[in-house]
Amino acid sequence: DADVTQTPRNRITKTGKRIMLECSQTKGHDRMYWYRQDPGLGLQLIYYSFDVKDINKGEISDGYSVSRQAQAKFSLSLESAIPNQTALYFCATSDSSGLAGSQYFGPGTRLTVL
Amino acid sequence: QKEVEQNSGPLSVPEGAIASLNCTYSDRVSQSFFWYRQYSGKSPELIMSIYSNGDKEDGRFTAQLNKASQYVSLLIRDSQPSDSATYLCAGDTGANSKLTFGKGITLSVRP
Repeated sequence: DADVTQTPRNRITKTGKRIMLECSQTKGHDRMYWYRQDPGLGLQLIYYSFDVKDINKGEISDGYSVSRQAQAKFSLSLESAIPNQTALYFCATSDSSGLAGSQYFGPGTRLTVL
Repeated sequence: QKEVEQNSGPLSVPEGAIASLNCTYSDRVSQSFFWYRQYSGKSPELIMSIYSNGDKEDGRFTAQLNKASQYVSLLIRDSQPSDSATYLCAGDTGANSKLTFGKGITLSVRP
């Protein structure tokens, strides 16, 4: 079984809809991250969490919110989706006791907002 | 200025050649650096990390860091078609492992 899973893997929705992307991990890591990837733009950090009670905004948090339900679960919500949020979304994890910057990525969720 | 810059490429090399991938960074990214490889349609995976000036070798891969000139590079020796992927350079800002990624460069190794 994969260490970092994301659901759904693909989602098509309409403008104005609320969407939740979920991430679960079995690696036992305390840190979790949400990124979006657009063609030619690399990975941009949306939100990150260093433990259940610590959540921080990344570079591009506007229009997004997150919830860290447990150490193993980190969800990303789009309260009112808009077309320019069409992108590939990745969840990642890392261990605070391990190598800094050594992050493990989930398989990604491809989101299309019409 | 974006904190981590990569030449967007693409870069094409023949099989067996050395592929050289370069990355520059700003003052805010100065602690440690990472190279991630991302195959088409897949998620990024860490292949190299480097913290100190100089070279770090791992098999066919060598990471080079020059803090005075603020660049980091990845050399792939004896390039194989299986090395064809997008390579992402990332820097740790030092603030608890929050990474800043470059845009990535796509490498194509021609058989």
